[in-house]
Amino acid sequence: GAGVSQSPSNKVTEKGKDVELRCDPISGHTALYWYRQSLGQGLEFLIYFQGNSAPDKSGLPSDRFSAERTGGSVSTLTIQRTQQEDSAVYLCASSLENRGVETQYFGPGTRLLVL
Amino acid sequence: QKEVEQNSGPLSVPEGAIASLNCTYSDRGSQSFFWYRQYSGKSPELIMFIYSNGDKEDGRFTAQLNKASQYVSLLIRDSQPSDSATYLCAVWGWSGMRFGAGTRLTVKP
Repeated sequence: GAGVSQSPSNKVTEKGKDVELRCDPISGHTALYWYRQSLGQGLEFLIYFQGNSAPDKSGLPSDRFSAERTGGSVSTLTIQRTQQEDSAVYLCASSLENRGVETQYFGPGTRLLVL
Repeated sequence: QKEVEQNSGPLSVPEGAIASLNCTYSDRGSQSFFWYRQYSGKSPELIMFIYSNGDKEDGRFTAQLNKASQYVSLLIRDSQPSDSATYLCAVWGWSGMRFGAGTRLTVKP
């Protein structure tokens, strides 16, 4: 595709339910990142994938959060037993490589609201 | 101490003035530095990056890096109302990419 796509664009769920957020990176991009942005806040790093290497999960806030990347392309971020504090915009970004100087292209985000 | 710190603003400048946005970082081993612009309700988009000490110019934008002071800035010359947005500083280091909370800039006509 032309850019990074994410789905759903908006998600409203009840506290305690599980949610899955999807990211489809730009074709050929080997690095994929997940960030969380709460209202009026900066981006909080969650996890990144680089090729076939083990993902860097150091930013995941709790064990309720997990992510996988299938076939080096599409990624799914799963939040189990959602809490109200999980409400935020979840942004996915991809880049050609993870050398730090590669431009990260962001998707439109998934706006999650936990009631 | 936050890894990347920015003044939250808001920073207000008149149209045509120079807007100066500042960022400090804590990881002395940081290697690359980025400025992103984020319009309200939109995703961040890269303005420019810098990884060597000194200045880097791109049109109306100039990024300045001082690794000794662990300081990076963004100057916007001839500010336009369309520059009104939140500007995010991002730093790449051993712990990966880390973003500041952003500075909200308003350019008044």
